[in-house]
Amino acid sequence: QKEVEQDPGPLSVPEGAIVSLNCTYSNSAFQYFMWYRQYSRKGPELLMYTYSSGNKEDGRFTAQVDKSSKYISLFIRDSQPSDSATYLCALPGGANNLFFGTGTRLTVIP
Amino acid sequence: GAVVSQHPSRVICKSGTSVKIECRSLDFQATTMFWYRQFPKQSLMLMATSNEGSKATYEQGVEKDKFLINHASLTLSTLTVTSAHPEDSSFYICSARERGWGSGYTFGSGTRLTVV
Repeated sequence: QKEVEQDPGPLSVPEGAIVSLNCTYSNSAFQYFMWYRQYSRKGPELLMYTYSSGNKEDGRFTAQVDKSSKYISLFIRDSQPSDSATYLCALPGGANNLFFGTGTRLTVIP
Repeated sequence: GAVVSQHPSRVICKSGTSVKIECRSLDFQATTMFWYRQFPKQSLMLMATSNEGSKATYEQGVEKDKFLINHASLTLSTLTVTSAHPEDSSFYICSARERGWGSGYTFGSGTRLTVV
């Protein structure tokens, strides 16, 4: 079983739609939860990180963690064409390792 | 915020030659840097962990003699792909973790290697 599972998509939505991106994980010991955004042929950039369960909001982005279900989500409100990218969830495990989901490719259509 | 510079962004080399990729932390010291490989439409795969002043730790299945890692200073790690072959063509990305900041990882912009 993979440490982190993520639906690879692709996901296409019209501009202005609410986008929901999700990951599940297997190890209940994970404490930090991150979302990275990766544009084509670029390195990932940290979008949000959360610690423990609950919601965290940053502008149009909301990260949600449900540790009881081992389920994390990223919501994007009022999606824009510039949000078109691949979104990866990532969970630090131990001192050095970062477990990535496969990434969900999102396209926001103008 | 923390910035990681990776160079070159793109390189084409002939089969059998070696290629060096540099990863620099510009405004912070990184005792640990990480090297990833990413195939098209796939997620990042950790290749090795680079430790300043000591040997790198390689993930299972990664040939240490083929992917040479040197972390000579607190701001620079290099990955050398030796005797490159077409199957080594991939997107290589480094990342660094700033000391004292939880588990935050900053990524370089990646290097697209094409071996012809």
